[in-house]
Amino acid sequence: LAKTTQPISMDSYEGQEVNITCSHNNIATNDYITWYQQFPSQGPRFIIQGYKTKVTNEVASLFIPADRKSSTLSLPRVSLSDTAVYYCLVGDPTFTGGGNKLTFGTGTQLKVEL
Amino acid sequence: DVKVTQSSRYLVKRTGEKVFLECVQDMDHENMFWYRQDPGLGLRLIYFSYDVKMKEKGDIPEGYSVSREKKERFSLILESASTNQTSMYLCASRPGQSNQPQHFGDGTRLSIL
Repeated sequence: LAKTTQPISMDSYEGQEVNITCSHNNIATNDYITWYQQFPSQGPRFIIQGYKTKVTNEVASLFIPADRKSSTLSLPRVSLSDTAVYYCLVGDPTFTGGGNKLTFGTGTQLKVEL
Repeated sequence: DVKVTQSSRYLVKRTGEKVFLECVQDMDHENMFWYRQDPGLGLRLIYFSYDVKMKEKGDIPEGYSVSREKKERFSLILESASTNQTSMYLCASRPGQSNQPQHFGDGTRLSIL
């Protein structure tokens, strides 16, 4: 089961770009990398998912190097409302048997200030 | 948009009670999950189900059971509640056999007194 390592916390200011890196050294061939955002007293909200190279949506970009042992979530021009915990997950979402367990770590607490 | 609804946002029960937490999803998803979230420990998987009447243990199943009688509903049962089961409980669902991510409800904060 692939485990992930992220920084515990990060601080930033409004308007800056924030990059959060996640290490996943034993990622498997079929594993995808998924990022979630969580605000206090709410469930995690899906941000972005990727398998290799670069994925971009209206919220964020996800950069995955060729060896796939790490990934970087990039949030462009953050605002106060981006203050939240960000989780990186690695797993095979197509496998519905006993291995379909996406392990959440403790996440990265991002604090955005004025 | 996917909607995952948990029956209660806050719940207070007493030690030894049998507690039911309900979760309903409206997107015909095959897979459903129950997690608990505790400070410093992140989210931990309790049980998941990949089809009606099918279930598998997650990382911390002790003291819990689940029921999936209908595709849209996944229930978590605390057979005899204990104070160490005080936690935030999160339900999630996702389509089976696809690379789609899990979608979460807003959680039930359960206190066992």
